[in-house]
Amino acid sequence: EAQVTQNPRYLITVTGKKLTVTCSQNMNHEYMSWYRQDPGLGLRQIYYSMNVEVTDKGDVPEGYKVSRKEKRNFPLILESPSPNQTSLYFCASSSWTANTGELFFGEGSRLTVL
Amino acid sequence: SQQGEEDPQALSIQEGENATMNCSYKTSINNLQWYRQNSGRGLVHLILIRSNEREKHSGRLRVTLDTSKKSSSLLITASRAADTASYFCATADRSGSARQLTFGSGTQLTVLP
Repeated sequence: EAQVTQNPRYLITVTGKKLTVTCSQNMNHEYMSWYRQDPGLGLRQIYYSMNVEVTDKGDVPEGYKVSRKEKRNFPLILESPSPNQTSLYFCASSSWTANTGELFFGEGSRLTVL
Repeated sequence: SQQGEEDPQALSIQEGENATMNCSYKTSINNLQWYRQNSGRGLVHLILIRSNEREKHSGRLRVTLDTSKKSSSLLITASRAADTASYFCATADRSGSARQLTFGSGTQLTVLP
């Protein structure tokens, strides 16, 4: 089954404790992206990757890091989480060959930073 | 930055009625997409309409696009309780790239049994 898998789905942590949210897709998609969703603000893009070893900032990259060492994986790293990073995070992927920009989303990771 | 803006922000209807949601955007697009999000879940792609299309159907969904008014509408016919969700429009710029997909803030649809 084609899917985007995120882990963990729920996480409560404390300020300053480094954490990683993993994302993996099994559709051989070139493009992957991270979004955060906050009430009243919709989805905002954090980082994206056009292909392996190619990443770039989205609209709200501060406080986050990413890496793309393999095509299927695109982890989101919070080196020193702060309470304003409490949010619902989504990983998404897309195929360039489809040339439509249709995104496939993971189920989301709800992060609370105390 | 948000380009698509949905209207209304919230909509409540009875099962069996039709639901219409609107989306307005500001700049030229390659395509416009609609997504559904069940509470706390990931977004699911519903339908895509290209800038050279005016209307598209998929099951109980009907999407229209008016590029002169920079607006789109999503019609769900014969709604069901299971249609209760948030609906987002997303616009892709002229390149059609997923990188340039910009989401609105969504319409919360509640279908009452």
